[in-house]
Amino acid sequence: AIQMTQSPSSLSASVGDRVTITCRASQGITNDLGWYQQKAGKAPKLLIYAASSLESGVPSRFSGSGSGTDFTLTIRSLQPEDSATYYCAQDYNYPLTFGGGTKVEIK
Amino acid sequence: QVQLVESGGGLVKPGGSLRLSCAASGFTFTDYYMSWIRQAPGKGLEWISYISSSGYNIYYADSVKGRFTISRDNAKNSVFLQMNSLRAEDTAVYYCVRRPCSGAGCHLDYWGQGTLVTVSS
Repeated sequence: AIQMTQSPSSLSASVGDRVTITCRASQGITNDLGWYQQKAGKAPKLLIYAASSLESGVPSRFSGSGSGTDFTLTIRSLQPEDSATYYCAQDYNYPLTFGGGTKVEIK
Repeated sequence: QVQLVESGGGLVKPGGSLRLSCAASGFTFTDYYMSWIRQAPGKGLEWISYISSSGYNIYYADSVKGRFTISRDNAKNSVFLQMNSLRAEDTAVYYCVRRPCSGAGCHLDYWGQGTLVTVSS
């Protein structure tokens, strides 16, 4: 199975900061990567698919980049409502695998 | 609007069985793969299974293979997860998720609210 390694596991940042989360695949997955946001007690929500495509309705401060094994989720200007845990997931091949998550806290 | 509503969760003893259901609405159900994903308390997300739009292609995680069975009823816009030989480590919130696939690949775009399964004596 392809392993997805996310870093950092947690971070604390101020409103307006630029935040970057990385995800590394144990083998190449072209651009078959999604980013998901999960707020406390809620179901995950798709933010980015195909590594860099913004899901409809998601604020433009979220962006994704990368291809192959290394991927990045960037929040351009952190907002209070962005406090959540973020997961990457590869859907390149079976089994689908998730990163361990990055908890983003607002200072 | 797209809605996925899970039901069937609850408390079950180790070795017991449970059947989860997911009722889909707001989209053409037969156009989509569907998936089950779970999250143990305080833990990350774990993919369990997915089923193709026709129901012919089915995949399972090794952790549930031989114990869980995914199925769908396209006439009723529903997907199911039959869980047998349940273990304590199957305790989790189970999410029903839509999985669109295109030339740009596949992803998980709509998630249900989840149903809690607790396996305990």
